[in-house]
Amino acid sequence: KNQVEQSPQSLIILEGKNCTLQCNYTVSPFSNLRWYKQDTGRGPVSLTIMTFSENTKSNGRYTATLDADTKQSSLHITASQLSDSASYICVVSFNFNKFYFGSGTKLNVKP
Amino acid sequence: NAGVTQTPKFQVLKTGQSMTLQCAQDMNHEYMSWYRQDPGMGLRLIHYSVGAGITDQGEVPNGYNVSRSTTEDFPLRLLSAAPSQTSVYFCASSTGGNSGNTIYFGEGSWLTVV
Repeated sequence: KNQVEQSPQSLIILEGKNCTLQCNYTVSPFSNLRWYKQDTGRGPVSLTIMTFSENTKSNGRYTATLDADTKQSSLHITASQLSDSASYICVVSFNFNKFYFGSGTKLNVKP
Repeated sequence: NAGVTQTPKFQVLKTGQSMTLQCAQDMNHEYMSWYRQDPGMGLRLIHYSVGAGITDQGEVPNGYNVSRSTTEDFPLRLLSAAPSQTSVYFCASSTGGNSGNTIYFGEGSWLTVV
């Protein structure tokens, strides 16, 4: 069964600190992996998209890594800000416009 | 350029009532889809369309109908609402054929069935 598992479910960090979110998937064959940020009460917004040949992709303070051999991805947030408080969703695609969504990691950045 | 627009934002329905969630995109995207998001679960695909006149079922299609008469619009119909359909609904669109295309989501529609 194709699955996307994210950890931790929730995370609290202090402003200015770094954090790393994890995504493990069993989707096969793999096409690409995306990270989305979802603010409370809003729709998800794309952060990064990586194909199986890419190991890392950055978007400002967000850096995503991908290990297609172990089927693991991580999203690293550097120098966190209060506005980073949101849910972060890992999305894995296995063919033309077929996506599997993780349940997300809820990040709370405290001052 | 409005992106993906969903209406209504909030709706309360009684069991057995019918309603339509509207979705429109102005990016000329071929691919449109509807998801529901329930607490503690990932977004789940209800129905999708790869172009005008073409629709198909996703992971959780029961209780929902869709149509795609134009490229821009992709309404989701609940024929006889049930409490199990209480959820947040997201419409999404993207260009077709390229696996690296960005998915654009609407702002969501909060539906409560009592």
